[in-house]
Amino acid sequence: DVKVTQSSRYLVKRTGEKVFLECVQDMDHENMFWYRQDPGLGLRLIYFSYDVKMKEKGDIPEGYSVSREKKERFSLILESASTNQTSMYLCASSFQGRVSGEQYFGPGTRLTVT
Amino acid sequence: AQTVTQSQPEMSVQEAETVTLSCTYDTSENNYYLFWYKQPPSRQMILVIRQEAYKQQNATENRFSVNFQKAAKSFSLKISDSQLGDTAMYFCAFMKHDAGTYKYIFGTGTRLKVLA
Repeated sequence: DVKVTQSSRYLVKRTGEKVFLECVQDMDHENMFWYRQDPGLGLRLIYFSYDVKMKEKGDIPEGYSVSREKKERFSLILESASTNQTSMYLCASSFQGRVSGEQYFGPGTRLTVT
Repeated sequence: AQTVTQSQPEMSVQEAETVTLSCTYDTSENNYYLFWYKQPPSRQMILVIRQEAYKQQNATENRFSVNFQKAAKSFSLKISDSQLGDTAMYFCAFMKHDAGTYKYIFGTGTRLKVLA
């Protein structure tokens, strides 16, 4: 079974703190994604990576950065957390070669910024 | 730009009954993929069913089937013999693959509750 894990299920941070969310997948997937999930807005793509050290901005990259130093690990960084970044963050991964398109999701990190 | 619309924020269905969740999308592309994902309460999102746009035949997976109407840009999910474990948020998603770039667009979700 494909496994995508995220470093924390719940996280509480203060405004202005630097926040790291980590995602690890164990299936040698080339593609990795960070989404933000908010009620009534569905999933919105923050960043996408198709290879080590490669990244592309998604629909809402402002206030976020990412790092992919190893194929299995994709980190989301909030340089200076703000209250409007309180949300559920989902990581996902997928194969690049097979264009079946299926994404495998992690359990999510619910981040609260106070 | 592609968009995905789920017009039913919440639905409920009696156990063992059939329910249909609607999804419409907008795209000028001809080749793409459509998905339904399920997110149970406090659990990971998983794929329910997938449809390739070039295939006319509707996809089925056990109790789950889709009604794919390409011209109408409609992609509804039918759940037959609903079970309590089907209670979840369901997301419709569109994906286009183009030269190494994967573009996924998700709908806003439909919260389905199966009643005992």
